[in-house]
Amino acid sequence: GENVEQHPSTLSVQEGDSAVIKCTYSDSASNYFPWYKQELGKRPQLIIDIRSNVGEKKDQRIAVTLNKTAKHFSLHITETQPEDSAVYFCAASDNQGGKLIFGQGTELSVKP
Amino acid sequence: KAGVTQTPRYLIKTRGQQVTLSCSPISGHRSVSWYQQTPGQGLQFLFEYFSETQRNKGNFPGRFSGRQFSNSRSEMNVSTLELGDSALYLCASRRAVSTDTQYFGPGTRLTVL
Repeated sequence: GENVEQHPSTLSVQEGDSAVIKCTYSDSASNYFPWYKQELGKRPQLIIDIRSNVGEKKDQRIAVTLNKTAKHFSLHITETQPEDSAVYFCAASDNQGGKLIFGQGTELSVKP
Repeated sequence: KAGVTQTPRYLIKTRGQQVTLSCSPISGHRSVSWYQQTPGQGLQFLFEYFSETQRNKGNFPGRFSGRQFSNSRSEMNVSTLELGDSALYLCASRRAVSTDTQYFGPGTRLTVL
């Protein structure tokens, strides 16, 4: 069935370092891959997304890469700041769009 | 533009009761999806509604149901509550089925005692 695996489950970095979170999906029909950031007690917030016709997308300190052949996609955060500390979720969906399959989440801690 | 809103924000129920949660999408958005978030299972898709019709359904028992009104507001209902139904219930809206981006509401925290 549809599945998204996310690693690592926890990640601790020093302020200013880079952080990388990786996801693997199983459904070949998946063509939309969003990343959400969820702070404690808050709603998930979309931080970046990528579609299957694009291999990489960047927005300031955040970038996402997609390898459709390997069914991998990754989130890269550079120059991390303490306010980047949160749980990050990757997700995948197919042409239907409304059904997001989420990874289990990565708790990122950025130490000052 | 106002974001997705959900009511109530917190609910406490006992086993066997039923509950109705409400979601108001962003103005102009016509699709509403519902998700259950628990520490053990993470974020799981429940169902999606568009133009008052259910388009997609996740792997949840029939005790979980939903509907959408002509103004795009959506409700989900859980009957015969079980302890395991305790969770944060999130809804998300998107403009149309041809657009991907989903925006989440703050969620309803349901506790079943």
